[in-house]
Amino acid sequence: DTAVSQTPKYLVTQMGNDKSIKCEQNLGHDTMYWYKQDSKKFLKIMFSYNNKELIINETVPNRFSPKSPDKAHLNLHINSLELGDSAVYFCASSQLARGQKNTGELFFGEGSRLTVL
Amino acid sequence: ELKVEQNPLFLSMQEGKNYTIYCNYSTTSDRLYWYRQDPGKSLESLFVLLSNGAVKQEGRLMASLDTKARLSTLHITAAVHDLSATYFCAVDRIFGNEKLTFGTGTRLTIIP
Repeated sequence: DTAVSQTPKYLVTQMGNDKSIKCEQNLGHDTMYWYKQDSKKFLKIMFSYNNKELIINETVPNRFSPKSPDKAHLNLHINSLELGDSAVYFCASSQLARGQKNTGELFFGEGSRLTVL
Repeated sequence: ELKVEQNPLFLSMQEGKNYTIYCNYSTTSDRLYWYRQDPGKSLESLFVLLSNGAVKQEGRLMASLDTKARLSTLHITAAVHDLSATYFCAVDRIFGNEKLTFGTGTRLTIIP
């Protein structure tokens, strides 16, 4: 079984369209993340949810809206897509450390490559 | 704001040689991670370093952490072609706003 799974793996769309990426984890983790990896391979966090509650919201255009229906799922909806949104979007999950013995290690999905034309 | 820098950004080395990748970070941190990414693939966790002086080894890779110097190293011993990948270090803090801040990545190419 895949621990963190994302769909779709590839997404090609026109500017101005709206698209969604879905993520599910079966690791029993309480925290999920969206990271963006640009063409230079730089990884930057976008959002994080802990038990369905938004805990990290980086400086991301409000065209990006995450939703977590339960702690095993975190979806990303993008409105009015722009050329600069082209990237690989990674979902990840972890068990939040918060001073406990958990390592806080992130487990990543396979990534969703978004190409905006 | 926490900043994480790696060097070198690109590394091309011959099989059988040794080399070290460096990861510097700007503020006090509690945990440091090393990840590997193959082209077009996901990120795979290699090491988790939780305390000053921590050293972990797996095969030809060894990672260490010096929290006083805010420095971690990933040492490659007798490189083989299979180690070609991009290696990322990442840092976060246990208390406060927990998030992993990634380094710029080091693209390692092992030449036969």
